[in-house]
Amino acid sequence: DGGITQSPKYLFRKEGQNVTLSCEQNLNHDAMYWYRQDPGQGLRLIYYSQIVNDFQKGDIAEGYSVSREKKESFPLTVTSAQKNPTAFYLCASSTPPGTGIFNEQFFGPGTRLTVL
Amino acid sequence: SQKIEQNSEALNIQEGKTATLTCNYTNYSPAYLQWYRQDPGRGPVFLLLIRENEKEKRKERLKVTFDTTLKQSLFHITASQPADSATYLCALDIQAGTALIFGKGTTLSVSS
Repeated sequence: DGGITQSPKYLFRKEGQNVTLSCEQNLNHDAMYWYRQDPGQGLRLIYYSQIVNDFQKGDIAEGYSVSREKKESFPLTVTSAQKNPTAFYLCASSTPPGTGIFNEQFFGPGTRLTVL
Repeated sequence: SQKIEQNSEALNIQEGKTATLTCNYTNYSPAYLQWYRQDPGRGPVFLLLIRENEKEKRKERLKVTFDTTLKQSLFHITASQPADSATYLCALDIQAGTALIFGKGTTLSVSS
């Protein structure tokens, strides 16, 4: 089955620790995205990547880092510099926007991160 | 700055009625607009996409309209069912080559 997976589903972090959230897709999509969702809020874009070895900051990139070494993988690291990291994190993939064949974004099941 | 608003945080309707959700935006002319459904604790799921040159699009009990003059999209669910209860998000592109911008969503509750 084609799809997008995220792990772990729940993650607990102590203050001052870095944590990495995994995102893998087998949809052969070039573009991948990370969003953060807080209660009562919409999805806010953290980082996105349109192609391997390239990524751009979104609206709330401070305190986060990403890598895109493989087409299938787009891990997100939440660093200790992120002051309020407790949130629901969503990864998505799609054909690249602006290519004229842009379709929907496919989302993973999400990772809920809690800082203790 | 780009702004996208969904008319209300919550909408409660009776089973069988038509639910109408609104998405308004300012300061941009998107090439297309999308609607997603999100259930609690899960990732959003794509429902419909409508392009700027399309006035209306339908899929089963769902209908989306797109008025680029009013800068508004309406999302209708006809013959609503309790299973339609969820949060519905609208999203639009702000610039070619960048990611979507999402509204905060409207939580629909359909009671039997």
